[in-house]
Amino acid sequence: SQELEQSPQSLIVQEGKNLTINCTSSKTLYGLYWYKQKYGEGLIFLMMLQKGGEEKSHEKITAKLDEKKQQSSLHITASQPSHAGIYLCGADTGTASKLTFGTGTRLQVTL
Amino acid sequence: DVKVTQSSRYLVKRTGEKVFLECVQDMDHENMFWYRQDPGLGLRLIYFSYDVKMKEKGDIPEGYSVSREKKERFSLILESASTNQTSMYLCASRFTGGGWYGYTFGSGTRLTVV
Repeated sequence: SQELEQSPQSLIVQEGKNLTINCTSSKTLYGLYWYKQKYGEGLIFLMMLQKGGEEKSHEKITAKLDEKKQQSSLHITASQPSHAGIYLCGADTGTASKLTFGTGTRLQVTL
Repeated sequence: DVKVTQSSRYLVKRTGEKVFLECVQDMDHENMFWYRQDPGLGLRLIYFSYDVKMKEKGDIPEGYSVSREKKERFSLILESASTNQTSMYLCASRFTGGGWYGYTFGSGTRLTVV
């Protein structure tokens, strides 16, 4: 079965600093999804990457997909307290429309 | 705005009770999913459904059952709640037409079994 490993598991950054979260798959990535979860709530879709080398941005968040490395990275520029939460990557397993998820990266942004 | 609605945000139930978690989506999606989320373990798939009256076991179905009598509603049932089922439960739906689409998640139900 496909496994997704996220690093780091947790991160504390000062407001205004940049940060990167990585998601590495044990198998070929067919579709990679990034979600954000505020504490105790559901997951909010951020963006989806499908093709190797693809890069997408939304506001100050940029995600890239390295197909050869079977890895995706999520980069936040000039972090703000509103960026705090848990970031999860999900990937198509190639089976029956199910997604498998990483264990998440907990981000705290300090003032 | 499209929505997946979970009936309760917080629930407290006693050991041995039969518990129903309800999930409704208004997007006419075929696929619906139930996950539980625990610290350090991430999201684990309990059951999913391709269509009305169809269901498939996920990775951790023991102690759970599901019901999908209507396309928009997918219910998770804890036949006899136990303390190890204390968790955050997340429902999701997914469009399976042409193209790549992610899940739309509900807000979650935090269940405590005492």
